[in-house]
Amino acid sequence: RKEVEQDPGPFNVPEGATVAFNCTYSNSASQSFFWYRQDCRKEPKLLMSVYSSGNEDGRFTAQLNRASQYISLLIRDSKLSDSATYLCVVRGGGRDDKIIFGKGTRLHILP
Amino acid sequence: DVKVTQSSRYLVKRTGEKVFLECVQDMDHENMFWYRQDPGLGLRLIYFSYDVKMKEKGDIPEGYSVSREKKERFSLILESASTNQTSMYLCASSPSLSQGNTEAFFGQGTRLTVV
Repeated sequence: RKEVEQDPGPFNVPEGATVAFNCTYSNSASQSFFWYRQDCRKEPKLLMSVYSSGNEDGRFTAQLNRASQYISLLIRDSKLSDSATYLCVVRGGGRDDKIIFGKGTRLHILP
Repeated sequence: DVKVTQSSRYLVKRTGEKVFLECVQDMDHENMFWYRQDPGLGLRLIYFSYDVKMKEKGDIPEGYSVSREKKERFSLILESASTNQTSMYLCASSPSLSQGNTEAFFGQGTRLTVV
């Protein structure tokens, strides 16, 4: 099983729709979780951290289920500017502090 | 703002050359990372470092080495560049995990072409 797995997409979604991404991770000892956003030909940038209690930032909601080793990201009222690749990121676990990225899910918001 | 700076945006090297990719961060972060990113394969960890003179292999260390002589600088070395090392290389830094739920900050990337 890969360390961090995501559906690669692409997701083609009309503007204004709600879209959900899922991610699973293999190391049950992982300690920190994030969603990053990467625009074409740019470096990844933090979108939001993911906490066990779930957290929301405007139109974005992230959830973590440690028992199932599952992370999700929900985008409501999607905008054209949300078009990007979304990377699920897992950190730590065991004796090291690696930061492992999923391959990313491509999102296209359609006008 | 945290700044992670990679020495070159674009680089073209010949097969067999020794290549140095430099990365500098200005936030006194303990941890630094080198990734390569290829279409369909995502970001793959090459090496990382917890502290000065410390290094750990990532998932794809073959053909690479690293150097961390100073806390702010983490160098990636391609001992003898090959065409399959043509890729986008991304450096990142972060505080240690013990400092809390902290993210990694990336440099702008170096697109290396080996011909």
